[in-house]
Amino acid sequence: AQRVTQPEKLLSVFKGAPVELKCNYSYSGSPELFWYVQYSRQRLQLLLRHISRESIKGFTADLNKGETSFHLKKPFAQEEDSAMYYCALISTGRRALTFGSGTRLQVQP
Amino acid sequence: DAGVIQSPRHEVTEMGQEVTLRCKPISGHDYLFWYRQTMMRGLELLIYFNNNVPIDDSGMPEDRFSAKMPNASFSTLKIQPSEPRDSAVYFCASSLLGTGDTGELFFGEGSRLTVL
Repeated sequence: AQRVTQPEKLLSVFKGAPVELKCNYSYSGSPELFWYVQYSRQRLQLLLRHISRESIKGFTADLNKGETSFHLKKPFAQEEDSAMYYCALISTGRRALTFGSGTRLQVQP
Repeated sequence: DAGVIQSPRHEVTEMGQEVTLRCKPISGHDYLFWYRQTMMRGLELLIYFNNNVPIDDSGMPEDRFSAKMPNASFSTLKIQPSEPRDSAVYFCASSLLGTGDTGELFFGEGSRLTVL
């Protein structure tokens, strides 16, 4: 069975500081990994996916199969990055996402 | 398109009462998902449908929970009888075959349920 672990419930940083939101997964096959974000009073939405190898709003995430990790990083945090972040996994042949428990990012001025 | 529409947005009820949550997916989407969000457990998949057929209901907590999708534009999640531990935000999401593997689910605004 697949599992996604986000060890931090809350991460608080100051504006301009680097950010790293941790995500580890367990899955025996080749997973697809994603980050979803929920800003205050907005819907949960896709932030980025590992297959696209893209940078969205300055965030990047690299899939490390050896460490089974998919940490989300941003070199300089902005106040508008404050939100709830969920790491998620989709396994082969299954359409539903398995989410981690989420990390709340607070960026202080 | 207005996106995934859920109702009610807020529901407060007493233990033992029946609760029905409703969802209208994005037109043309063929997958529909019900998730539950709590502080302790984050987002948990309850059930999902493909072309109105339930595919995986292993996340449904117990027999008190049931979900239906009578047509492509409507789904319900019912809790009977409700208990305080059911208090959570219930999200509905939909996706389109072909984008399912890319993982882009489109979420509704959620239904916040409080059972007293």
